[in-house]
Amino acid sequence: EAAVTQSPRNKVTVTGGNVTLSCRQTNSHNYMYWYRQDTGHGLRLIHYSYGAGNLQIGDVPDGYKATRTTQEDFFLLLELASPSQTSLYFCASKDRANTEVFFGKGTRLTVV
Amino acid sequence: AQKVTQTQTSISVMEKTTVTMDCVYETQDSSYFLFWYKQTASGEIVFLIRQDSYKKENATVGHYSLNFQKPKSSIGLIITATQIEDSAVYFCAMRDSAGNKLTFGIGTRVLVRP
Repeated sequence: EAAVTQSPRNKVTVTGGNVTLSCRQTNSHNYMYWYRQDTGHGLRLIHYSYGAGNLQIGDVPDGYKATRTTQEDFFLLLELASPSQTSLYFCASKDRANTEVFFGKGTRLTVV
Repeated sequence: AQKVTQTQTSISVMEKTTVTMDCVYETQDSSYFLFWYKQTASGEIVFLIRQDSYKKENATVGHYSLNFQKPKSSIGLIITATQIEDSAVYFCAMRDSAGNKLTFGIGTRVLVRP
């Protein structure tokens, strides 16, 4: 089964702070995703990528940047964190042919 | 734009009974893919079962099965012989044939009581 590893698992930062969430997948999947999960909203797509150097805008991109540096690594950047970005963030990946998506264990981010 | 709606926020059932969860979707595509995922108490999200829109037969995996009603844009999840460990949040999701975005519903929390 595909392995998707997120780090850190928990993070607390101050308003206006700079945060980078990391994601690595080890199955050479083409697609990688960043979602946020909030009560009453389910999972919402922030950004996704279909390969190194590629970035696609998701449904809730405001306040977030992302970068896919390699096939394995996808980063989510919050350059001016706000309390509204307090959330549980999930990274996910999938192969081009296989439509099943594999999720990481999540990163809980608190902006105080 | 795609939309996935789960109207049941929580369901409570007795162990060993059957639970059914609803999901309706909106799409302009003629071909699409529907999924159900489970989020456990630890927060882990795992894939359960999938239905391709062009298939008429309802998908079944273990004690999970789907009730796919294409004219109603509905994809219900049925769990038979429930166990305590089926207690979780269940998400319905949809992917269109053109892109690779998954759109999720808000989830249904299921509690299986002993």
